Amino acid sequence: ILNVEQSPQSLHVQEGDSTNFTCSFPSSNFYALHWYRWETAKSPEALFVMTLNGDEKKKGRISATLNTKEGYSYLYIKGSQPEDSATYLCATRGFNNAGNMLTFGGGTRLMVKP
Amino acid sequence: EAQVTQNPRYLITVTGKKLTVTCSQNMNHEYMSWYRQDPGLGLRQIYYSMNVEVTDKGDVPEGYKVSRKEKRNFPLILESPSPNQTSLYFCASRLAGTEQFFGPGTRLTVL
Repeated sequence: ILNVEQSPQSLHVQEGDSTNFTCSFPSSNFYALHWYRWETAKSPEALFVMTLNGDEKKKGRISATLNTKEGYSYLYIKGSQPEDSATYLCATRGFNNAGNMLTFGGGTRLMVKP
Repeated sequence: EAQVTQNPRYLITVTGKKLTVTCSQNMNHEYMSWYRQDPGLGLRQIYYSMNVEVTDKGDVPEGYKVSRKEKRNFPLILESPSPNQTSLYFCASRLAGTEQFFGPGTRLTVL
């Protein structure tokens, strides 16, 4: 079982601020990392899937980087807006069970104040 | 519209009364999974399936069964529900190597 940790647990920022948070995971047995955005009363929505060391992905104002050697991924939000308020989840897949088991971190709850 | 659907969305039941939560996807995905979400514990995988008739245990399979007789359906069965199975359940599906799509969730309360 992979231990996936996210920090901080929660974050309050002002509209317009840029922010970032971290997902840490054991670097051994790594296969892929997923980031999800989860709004209250909705289901998690996929943001990125990353597999290679040094991967960088971008979707609008949100981007993510991956360092598989040291076991971390950063998610960045540029110019936060109130609609970015959500819980951001990361999840990793390892080579055990043919990479089919996803282990989730506890999430970072972001609140953007107007 | 490509989607994962779950039914029911809300269910209140009593201890020991067998129930099934259905999950269906229309994207021809091979992989399907069930998760439960509990406060402070995050999303935990219950069971997953790589294809028809191929299922395997996740992190917390005790008290649950699944079946995958058709590619599109992956029902979650609680033979004898107990109060510790009160939770929010998500079904999800994906193609190999791609992002996962989640269903809308089923909130289950076992009294």
